[in-house]
Amino acid sequence: DAGITQSPRHKVTETGTPVTLRCHQTENHRYMYWYRQDPGHGLRLIHYSYGVKDTDKGEVSDGYSVSRSKTEDFLLTLESATSSQTSVYFCAIGQGLASQETQYFGPGTRLLVL
Amino acid sequence: TQLLEQSPQFLSIQEGENLTVYCNSSSVFSSLQWYRQEPGEGPVLLVTVVTGGEVKKLKRLTFQFGDARKDSSLHITAAQPGDTGLYLCAGAEVRTYKYIFGTGTRLKVLA
Repeated sequence: DAGITQSPRHKVTETGTPVTLRCHQTENHRYMYWYRQDPGHGLRLIHYSYGVKDTDKGEVSDGYSVSRSKTEDFLLTLESATSSQTSVYFCAIGQGLASQETQYFGPGTRLLVL
Repeated sequence: TQLLEQSPQFLSIQEGENLTVYCNSSSVFSSLQWYRQEPGEGPVLLVTVVTGGEVKKLKRLTFQFGDARKDSSLHITAAQPGDTGLYLCAGAEVRTYKYIFGTGTRLKVLA
């Protein structure tokens, strides 16, 4: 299994509070991704990073920011959590945006915003 | 935004039966992947198909990429309880190579 960990694994928070999720990899992969998974929507890309301090938006980036100060860590921040951000968040790593890239997924973080 | 629709959404079958899951889009993809996800875990890649009409086999699983690279199917022969899980297809956008995931098919195989 690819070395990807996510923390925390579960979190309950209140509307309006900031939340930061962490993804840590030991594989030295250049690309890291944050997805959210919701029933009926599959996995949707929030943000991704193609190197230290290099990030770009995905299809559902509103309300989220990311940072990558080290190759191994990719942080996802909800500046002011809303109930619509209740979801399961997955981090993934890969070697690059390419037609046959294999993405390896972490175990997920289940977030509940009350 | 390109969309990938999977059908059926849910499938419950008896052990030993065959099944097919479909992944359809009106857009062309440069490649298509199939993942399986078990409860409480992240998706795990099963296969990547790249060429239109390509067929790949993984034990009892057969994957096919449509000739026009807009759709794909996953066929399972003699399903087993260990095949239970959520099956996701994901297509790589032609221009950006970002992956668009389908809505998923939840399969339950009863012993």
